[in-house]
Amino acid sequence: EDKVVQSPLSLVVHEGDTVTLNCSYEVTNFRSLLWYKQEKKAPTFLFMLTSSGIEKKSGRLSSILDKKELFSILNITATQTGDSAVYLCAVEKMVGTSYGKLTFGQGTILTVHP
Amino acid sequence: NAGVTQTPKFRVLKTGQSMTLLCAQDMNHEYMYWYRQDPGMGLRLIHYSVGEGTTAKGEVPDGYNVSRLKKQNFLLGLESAAPSQTSVYFCATRLPHGNTIYFGEGSWLTVV
Repeated sequence: EDKVVQSPLSLVVHEGDTVTLNCSYEVTNFRSLLWYKQEKKAPTFLFMLTSSGIEKKSGRLSSILDKKELFSILNITATQTGDSAVYLCAVEKMVGTSYGKLTFGQGTILTVHP
Repeated sequence: NAGVTQTPKFRVLKTGQSMTLLCAQDMNHEYMYWYRQDPGMGLRLIHYSVGEGTTAKGEVPDGYNVSRLKKQNFLLGLESAAPSQTSVYFCATRLPHGNTIYFGEGSWLTVV
């Protein structure tokens, strides 16, 4: 059975802190790992990672994948109150000749206090 | 979330009633998904489709059926609703090798 586990489940920090969110997985026929941010409604896309060791960056957010140890981290530096959200990790696997089956982790609830 | 429309957005059902959630997309995406989201459990895949006329089971398919008769529509059916199906349901779409998954705005379903 495919598994995606995120940690911590919740995190409370103050503005300016740096946070690291973790995502570990056990998935056969791995294709990619994706990070999403969810505020009040639907998740919004942050990163897609397919290769080990290559960091992806977008502003204060960055992420990296380790396909040998089967995990990814999402870093947020100089956090702001607007970073408060649920951060979701999802892993995509190949099924037959198709991609497309995504399995999500439970999410990490990040709260940033002023 | 332009391009992925879920209807209805809110619904209250009595136990045993049936209903259908509709997901419609105008982006010509091949892949479509139905997820449910419950507190502390992230998004769990109910069913998905990799093309018109094809469907497959996800992690939690029991109690749900789906159909993809037209490429742009993915229907999720509850034949006999149960309180355990109270949840927020999200539809999502993507291209086969696309990075971005597009989510609908969610459908809040309460079964009493």
